[in-house]
Amino acid sequence: AQSVTQPDIHITVSEGASLELRCNYSYGATPYLFWYVQSPGQGLQLLLKYFSGDTLVQGIKGFEAEFKRSQSSFNLRKPSVHWSDAAEYFCAVVAGSGNEKLTFGTGTRLTIIP
Amino acid sequence: DAGITQSPRYKITETGRQVTLMCHQTWSHSYMFWYRQDLGHGLRLIYYSAAADITDKGEVPDGYVVSRSKTENFPLTLESATRSQTSVYFCASSESLKAGQFFGPGTRLTVL
Repeated sequence: AQSVTQPDIHITVSEGASLELRCNYSYGATPYLFWYVQSPGQGLQLLLKYFSGDTLVQGIKGFEAEFKRSQSSFNLRKPSVHWSDAAEYFCAVVAGSGNEKLTFGTGTRLTIIP
Repeated sequence: DAGITQSPRYKITETGRQVTLMCHQTWSHSYMFWYRQDLGHGLRLIYYSAAADITDKGEVPDGYVVSRSKTENFPLTLESATRSQTSVYFCASSESLKAGQFFGPGTRLTVL
């Protein structure tokens, strides 16, 4: 069965610093990979997604993620964080075509300090 | 307004009562989903639907019932609420796997 691991429960970063949130998945073939962001009291918003092709994908709000098959990872990055980036971030995976079930990691809470 | 809406946004009920959470989307997306979000568990899929009149169980379906008579609506019913069903419930929709899912604002349910 597919699974997603986000090793970091909580990360604190200074405003203007770079950010990397880790995500590892367990699935035999190349899955569909997603990153979502959830602001307090809100629903989830899709940041970016990867299915195939270029392993570095660009998303909204200045985020990017890199798919590394050899490491089964799909880490999220941002060169310079803003206070408004404080939120919960979820990595998610869907198995290959025919399986509509999205499996989420447990999330990483990002705190931004001035 | 276009998008995906959930009602009510907040609900307090008592153990044993029936509760229905509503979800409505205006995009005519084929797929709709119900998740619950609990601290330490992330989001877990309760039920999903690939089209009207087609539903299937997710990871945690026990105690829940869904129906989908119209493409745009996907209500979730707790037939006899239990305290363990206290949670935040999210509805989502998508046109396809590749498009990703769009989420509603959530319903915070408390079962006393």
